[in-house]
Amino acid sequence: DAKTTQPNSMESNEEEPVHLPCNHSTISGTDYIHWYRQLPSQGPEYVIHGLTSNVNNRMASLAIAEDRKSSTLILHRATLRDAAVYYCILRWSGGGADGLTFGKGTHLIIQP
Amino acid sequence: DTGVSQDPRHKITKRGQNVTFRCDPISEHNRLYWYRQTLGQGPEFLTYFQNEAQLEKSRLLSDRFSAERPKGSFSTLEIQRTEQGDSAMYLCASSLAGQGNEKLFFGSGTQLSVL
Repeated sequence: DAKTTQPNSMESNEEEPVHLPCNHSTISGTDYIHWYRQLPSQGPEYVIHGLTSNVNNRMASLAIAEDRKSSTLILHRATLRDAAVYYCILRWSGGGADGLTFGKGTHLIIQP
Repeated sequence: DTGVSQDPRHKITKRGQNVTFRCDPISEHNRLYWYRQTLGQGPEFLTYFQNEAQLEKSRLLSDRFSAERPKGSFSTLEIQRTEQGDSAMYLCASSLAGQGNEKLFFGSGTQLSVL
């Protein structure tokens, strides 16, 4: 299985942009990059996913490096409600359960 | 869209007892997943169903664990002869089948404490 590497924790200030990095140097051409987040006492929540091109949605943006060996989740203006654990995972486009186990993620702390 | 619901939210049991959890997925979703999460760790994949067929099981799923999805709608996860190491949050998720790009929708989980 392709693996991802994320920092254990990051800290940011409220109303500032946050860039959460993820390294996936062994990614294959058919792996999608997914991001989920988990707020305290809740199940994970889908944030965004992409394959090759950068993606934007109402929650965040995903910037994918040209060689696809890394990606960055961008929260444009963090709020206290964005404090959560953020997981970067790779999902094989062949379907199945590949890539469905999450790593430890990045614990994002937002300071008021 | 009422989301994925899990019941109960909390379960306390004594070692050696059997427990059963229920998951109701989003109604049109044909895939259903079970995960386990311990404190400070990310969710670990246990098993998943496509409709009523159990397609994949993790090596983490010992023979004391059994999951069913009899009519392709709700699912149950049973743990027999519980052990203290089974204490964890059990999460259920559902999705529409896709090719690696489907979104998983998670429930809030069942917190199991084995005394």
